[in-house]
Amino acid sequence: KQEVTQIPAALSVPEGENLVLNCSFTDSAIYNLQWFRQDPGKGLTSLLLIQSSQREQTSGRLNASLDKSSGRSTLYIAASQPGDSATYLCAVPKSSGDKLTFGTGTRLAVRP
Amino acid sequence: KAGVTQTPRYLIKTRGQQVTLSCSPISGHRSVSWYQQTPGQGLQFLFEYFSETQRNKGNFPGRFSGRQFSNSRSEMNVSTLELGDSALYLCASSQTGPSGDTQYFGPGTRLTVL
Repeated sequence: KQEVTQIPAALSVPEGENLVLNCSFTDSAIYNLQWFRQDPGKGLTSLLLIQSSQREQTSGRLNASLDKSSGRSTLYIAASQPGDSATYLCAVPKSSGDKLTFGTGTRLAVRP
Repeated sequence: KAGVTQTPRYLIKTRGQQVTLSCSPISGHRSVSWYQQTPGQGLQFLFEYFSETQRNKGNFPGRFSGRQFSNSRSEMNVSTLELGDSALYLCASSQTGPSGDTQYFGPGTRLTVL
């Protein structure tokens, strides 16, 4: 059974810092890896999707990397802003057409 | 393009009752997935429907059921509610399914069971 863990569970940083969020998965047989953010009491917003054959994916100030063999992904946020405050979740499907297994999430607070 | 909508947004029920939640996907999306989110268990997959057929199912009891209509709108039903069913229920839509492309989530339905 796939288990997805995110460390740290919570993080507080001052505005402007660069930061890294971690995602670990126990079964390296994944189809892709997806990163989402969730604002309090709201649904999720898709941030990045990395195919299993890719090493990284970038969108604006966000960069996600994937190391399938070691079961790890990182989400790098450059020059953090208060608007980045949210919970960040990673998720993996085992194969095409499969469901998503979500990580435990990292709650990020960026202080002005 | 209108986003994913879920109704109702908030719901209060008592133990033993049943409830039906609705999800309208983005126009053109044929896949709808449902998730339960609680502080203790996090986000857990309930089921996914694609073109009116259940394609995947999570590890939830038979009290949780769903269906999808020809216009891709989906409903989920929970019968004989228990206190532990209190959660945020999220649905997500996409063109091909949760693994293949970007998932668009609705705002969720907050269910409280008393």
